[in-house]
Amino acid sequence: DGGITQSPKYLFRKEGQNVTLSCEQNLNHDAMYWYRQDPGQGLRLIYYSQIVNDFQKGDIAEGYSVSREKKESFPLTVTSAQKNPTAFYLCASSGTSGRGSAYEQYFGPGTRLTVT
Amino acid sequence: QKEVEQNSGPLSVPEGAIASLNCTYSDRGSQSFFWYRQYSGKSPELIMFIYSNGDKEDGRFTAQLNKASQYVSLLIRDSQPSDSATYLCAVRNGGYNKLIFGAGTRLAVHP
Repeated sequence: DGGITQSPKYLFRKEGQNVTLSCEQNLNHDAMYWYRQDPGQGLRLIYYSQIVNDFQKGDIAEGYSVSREKKESFPLTVTSAQKNPTAFYLCASSGTSGRGSAYEQYFGPGTRLTVT
Repeated sequence: QKEVEQNSGPLSVPEGAIASLNCTYSDRGSQSFFWYRQYSGKSPELIMFIYSNGDKEDGRFTAQLNKASQYVSLLIRDSQPSDSATYLCAVRNGGYNKLIFGAGTRLAVHP
């Protein structure tokens, strides 16, 4: 059964530490995305990638970095430069193969990051 | 003005009633519209998408799009307590598949 996995589900870090969130998909989707959700707010786009070895900044990229070395994987690093890193992080993918069309984005289960 | 606006709710409806959720957007060039359901503590789940003016039905759900008035709505017929969740409206505009999300409307269906 195809889908998107994110790990870990919960992550706790001390301020000043970098942390990497994992996102893997087996939907054969070309595009992948990272969003951040804060309580009572909509999702905000951090980074997106349309194809392997290429990615672009979203609306709130400062303090984050990504890589896209494989089609299936799009890890997000939250660096110590991110001022308010505590949030719910969501990975999504979209594509023309498998489930859906190129426009529909499907989400993984999310990682809840707490930085103290 | 926010790009995608939704009433935060909560919208409270009795079981069996029709729940009507609304969303307005600011960019006239918006092309695709999505409704996601998000249970508390969980990730969003895509439940409907609509690309053309008019209505689109899928089971108990109907999405309605009016591009001239720049609004999109979601109707849930025969509402069930299990429909209680936050419903996020998302809009795609521009050439790339970037979605702009509203803050969501919380729906509470009471028995």
